[in-house]
Amino acid sequence: KAGVTQTPRYLIKTRGQQVTLSCSPISGHRSVSWYQQTPGQGLQFLFEYFSETQRNKGNFPGRFSGRQFSNSRSEMNVSTLELGDSALYLCASSPDIGGNYGYTFGSGTRLTVV
Amino acid sequence: QKEVEQNSGPLSVPEGAIASLNCTYSDRGSQSFFWYRQYSGKSPELIMSIYSNGDKEDGRFTAQLNKASQYVSLLIRDSQPSDSATYLCAVNRGSQGNLIFGKGTKLSVKP
Repeated sequence: KAGVTQTPRYLIKTRGQQVTLSCSPISGHRSVSWYQQTPGQGLQFLFEYFSETQRNKGNFPGRFSGRQFSNSRSEMNVSTLELGDSALYLCASSPDIGGNYGYTFGSGTRLTVV
Repeated sequence: QKEVEQNSGPLSVPEGAIASLNCTYSDRGSQSFFWYRQYSGKSPELIMSIYSNGDKEDGRFTAQLNKASQYVSLLIRDSQPSDSATYLCAVNRGSQGNLIFGKGTKLSVKP
């Protein structure tokens, strides 16, 4: 059974640019959540999608957005990149909404903003 | 008050000892509790889940939950150097809420 697939693994972007990250959940999982991980703040919740609808959202500015497609694949977009956006972005999939069964994480996308 | 709190460590134990990791949470409505292990440079991996008060054992790992005290713990028996990692406590925010993570406790098992 394939795990959670995130692409790309590494990205280097310049301040002011935008970036799109992709996540394919485990087959049959309908919930996809996104987290930002930094050494100082740990894992911070960005948003959760279920059945193509955003169900929960964390305390991030509107520059961070996402969407989910009918096949449960998800993308997140960060516009007008800032240096502080440099982080590991993790996608997690779950069979159902709310994380009651725990999440399975992908390998992450390491974003560096210069 | 932070939603999920853990001691950052590092917690250092000798090989073969019991490692005890602790976590407190603030939302009394939380129903699901998890422990994740994260090796350096890797993504978090789910190792234990617990949903009701008491102990749950899986191999060398035991998760303990006390909802009245809003406390979750993870015991690792016969610790091995390969257990050296950061352990993250995660709690769901109600039945429809997302998982909130603590900042993790770094465990070092010395040979």
